[in-house]
Amino acid sequence: ILNVEQSPQSLHVQEGDSTNFTCSFPSSNFYALHWYRWETAKSPEALFVMTLNGDEKKKGRISATLNTKEGYSYLYIKGSQPEDSATYLCAFANYGQNFVFGPGTRLSVLP
Amino acid sequence: DSGVTQTPKHLITATGQRVTLRCSPRSGDLSVYWYQQSLDQGLQFLIQYYNGEERAKGNILERFSAQQFPDLHSELNLSSLELGDSALYFCASTSGGEDEQFFGPGTRLTVL
Repeated sequence: ILNVEQSPQSLHVQEGDSTNFTCSFPSSNFYALHWYRWETAKSPEALFVMTLNGDEKKKGRISATLNTKEGYSYLYIKGSQPEDSATYLCAFANYGQNFVFGPGTRLSVLP
Repeated sequence: DSGVTQTPKHLITATGQRVTLRCSPRSGDLSVYWYQQSLDQGLQFLIQYYNGEERAKGNILERFSAQQFPDLHSELNLSSLELGDSALYFCASTSGGEDEQFFGPGTRLTVL
């Protein structure tokens, strides 16, 4: 059974704070790691797809890193804004193209 | 708007019944994924199709089946429904295996 973990489970930060979350996944048979942003009452929105060890991707104030050898990825948000409040999901894909989602990190940014 | 459409938006039915959920991928996307989100669980991958053929299978029950048609739309068939099948069902599409997935708005299924 493939297990994907995310920490912390939830996080409250003040507007302007920078924050980061962790996604842990199996290090064997790695194919891709996806990050999604999921706002309440909406659909998940893709942030990044990462495939190479050492990969770093950035989109505005959000960035992510990937370590496939040790099986973790970090998502960073710089200068958090209230509109960043959402659940951030990671999903691990192996070569069987089986997708396993983590439980998510729920971020609340307080104005 | 992701460009992925799902119908119906809501569906209420009774135990033992059969329903069909429909998904139209973004224009040009060949791959469709189906996911289930139950109340007490996260997103669960069900099945993936690529250009009409099944590509990968996740935690899909034997009572569930799916297909992708020549026009690339996909249908998820749920039969012998149980109370526990009540969930939000998403489909997502992508052009290829490692590209980002675009999610539809979901179909909320309630089994009474």
